[in-house]
Amino acid sequence: GAVVSQHPSRVICKSGTSVKIECRSLDFQATTMFWYRQFPKKSLMLMATSNEGSKATYEQGVEKDKFLINHASLTLSTLTVTSAHPEDSSFYICSASSIYGYTFGSGTRLTVV
Amino acid sequence: GQQVMQIPQYQHVQEGEDFTTYCNSSTTLSNIQWYKQRPGGHPVFLIQLVKSGEVKKQKRLTFQFGEAKKNSSLHITATQTTDVGTYFCAPYDPNDYKLSFGAGTTVTVRA
Repeated sequence: GAVVSQHPSRVICKSGTSVKIECRSLDFQATTMFWYRQFPKKSLMLMATSNEGSKATYEQGVEKDKFLINHASLTLSTLTVTSAHPEDSSFYICSASSIYGYTFGSGTRLTVV
Repeated sequence: GQQVMQIPQYQHVQEGEDFTTYCNSSTTLSNIQWYKQRPGGHPVFLIQLVKSGEVKKQKRLTFQFGEAKKNSSLHITATQTTDVGTYFCAPYDPNDYKLSFGAGTTVTVRA
């Protein structure tokens, strides 16, 4: 089956710094990856669609300058939370579509202090 | 993306009992997927339903897609402690390739 690797699993950063989260498709190529955000005990909210070789498509209300997405290859998409603030603390999850359906990474729990 | 309403939000079940969670849409869905997320974990794909009236079974789990393709359900029989988690229905929109998620049903089991 398809495997999506997401790193780091947990990160604590100081307010004002930037954090990069990586999402890799290990055994398949993913032209499109998706980034979700999940608040405690809430559903997954789609933030943006990451397209290989082109600009990401952001959902309404998501700040593209705050959440930078880069999809430079068919197996790697990155999400950078810039100038992080405590309200950016959340669980971020990536996913990719393959012949097996949608596969999710294990998620990154970001805590901004 | 497409929006769905999922009920109930919480389901407290006695071990061994059955329960059902429902997923409803005001519009016709192309297909519906179901995911399970264990506490502290990430969503794991369970099933995809595409055809009108489709019924699929996975051991104690039965998934249904309504005739009008506007609703879906997940029925679990003889609930076990391993069934604990949040079950999400997620409609896939082929127009924009997006997978949206319902609010989820969080299941707890009393032993």
